[in-house]
Amino acid sequence: QLQLQESGPGLVKPSETLSLTCTVSGGSLSSSSYYWGWVRQSPGKGLEWIGSIYITWSTYYNLSLKSRVTISLDTSKNQFSLKLTSVTAADAAVYYCAKHGGYSSIYTSGLDVWGQGTTVTVSS
Amino acid sequence: EIVLTQSPGTLSLSPGERATLSCRASQNVGSSNLAWYQQKPGQAPRLLFYGASSRAIGIPDRFSGSGSGTDFTLIINRLEPEDFAVYYCQQHGSSPLTFGGGTKVEIK
Repeated sequence: QLQLQESGPGLVKPSETLSLTCTVSGGSLSSSSYYWGWVRQSPGKGLEWIGSIYITWSTYYNLSLKSRVTISLDTSKNQFSLKLTSVTAADAAVYYCAKHGGYSSIYTSGLDVWGQGTTVTVSS
Repeated sequence: EIVLTQSPGTLSLSPGERATLSCRASQNVGSSNLAWYQQKPGQAPRLLFYGASSRAIGIPDRFSGSGSGTDFTLIINRLEPEDFAVYYCQQHGSSPLTFGGGTKVEIK
């Protein structure tokens, strides 16, 4: 059974970089044909898709965040990661990693497997 | 960016009743490229439907999804106690993927 688990600092200072990792268990990133993504949820903005990555390193990013976001893979560790630079209070949220359900596409299905989420606070 | 508007914001119903939730897109999401999720407090969203009406694995058939273009509906027949939650729609037809603001189904 595929499971995702987010990890990373729960507290980030303003202007610094938020770094989160999603560890995949019960399946292999390197042999998958799915996109893997990040979604965040805050009281003010609701659910917001951040971006997604494929095993070929093909990526899609939300343009509202694109200049600050990088999503990467580490297939040796069966992980994918999120980096968000120059954070502000507006970036405080619960961050989820998730798997897209569509074969080789982010457009053919929803997100069918989610991590439990990790809360990130932005404060000095 | 496609904006999704969900209505009503809150639905107060009793167990056994039928819930009808609406999701309207600001532009065509491309045929049926819409998903529905259920979220309970402290939990991640759970995929219910994709492609507007394709039920995800393990979703009971009292849930049904329909619609196309810009108007979509999620119906929950005979509400069970575990169905009281927040429901979100999400379009998966174009980037950026976007979510609606949610409909809370609460016990009356």
